[in-house]
Amino acid sequence: DTAVSQTPKYLVTQMGNDKSIKCEQNLGHDTMYWYKQDSKKFLKIMFSYNNKELIINETVPNRFSPKSPDKAHLNLHINSLELGDSAVYFCASSQGQGSYGYTFGSGTRLTVV
Amino acid sequence: AQTVTQSQPEMSVQEAETVTLSCTYDTSESDYYLFWYKQPPSRQMILVIRQEAYKQQNATENRFSVNFQKAAKSFSLKISDSQLGDAAMYFCALRTSGYALNFGKGTSLLVTP
Repeated sequence: DTAVSQTPKYLVTQMGNDKSIKCEQNLGHDTMYWYKQDSKKFLKIMFSYNNKELIINETVPNRFSPKSPDKAHLNLHINSLELGDSAVYFCASSQGQGSYGYTFGSGTRLTVV
Repeated sequence: AQTVTQSQPEMSVQEAETVTLSCTYDTSESDYYLFWYKQPPSRQMILVIRQEAYKQQNATENRFSVNFQKAAKSFSLKISDSQLGDAAMYFCALRTSGYALNFGKGTSLLVTP
């Protein structure tokens, strides 16, 4: 039974489209995150939610909007996709601030053409 | 600002040998946690080992151990008896206060037969 599941695993779309990535965790964690991994493999925090409240909102274009309907879900919606948005997006979860580490989903490879 | 530096973009080791991956970090906080994550070609992020800053004893998990030098702000990972399955990207990460895990740029480990 997958702990942190993301859908879809692969997403190919045209510039200008709007797309969503869904994330669900069944670990009972109260904190969820979105990370972006660029083509050089660098991982950067985008958003962090604790108990459905936005805690971290890094310098990310307004076209990216996270939504947390409950503690177990954190979705990422992206408007007007650009070529530069192509990357792997990881969802993760932790209990509290993650003193025991984060559990990551398997990632969504987004390709904008 | 919290920074994590991995100065070795690539490392190579022969099967059954030992390899050490370097990581240095910078933080002004006294309470923090350090992690090593492994990312194989499958893309999954796997927690390898965790170290609490206030514990002087170096963490060990089977063939993986760390050398934590708090004064030098150094956190290296030693992999003993290397196996082909250890080939992956390894990320050092720092969690201070707040809800974000800050990653280094990663070290790509190649294991040769």
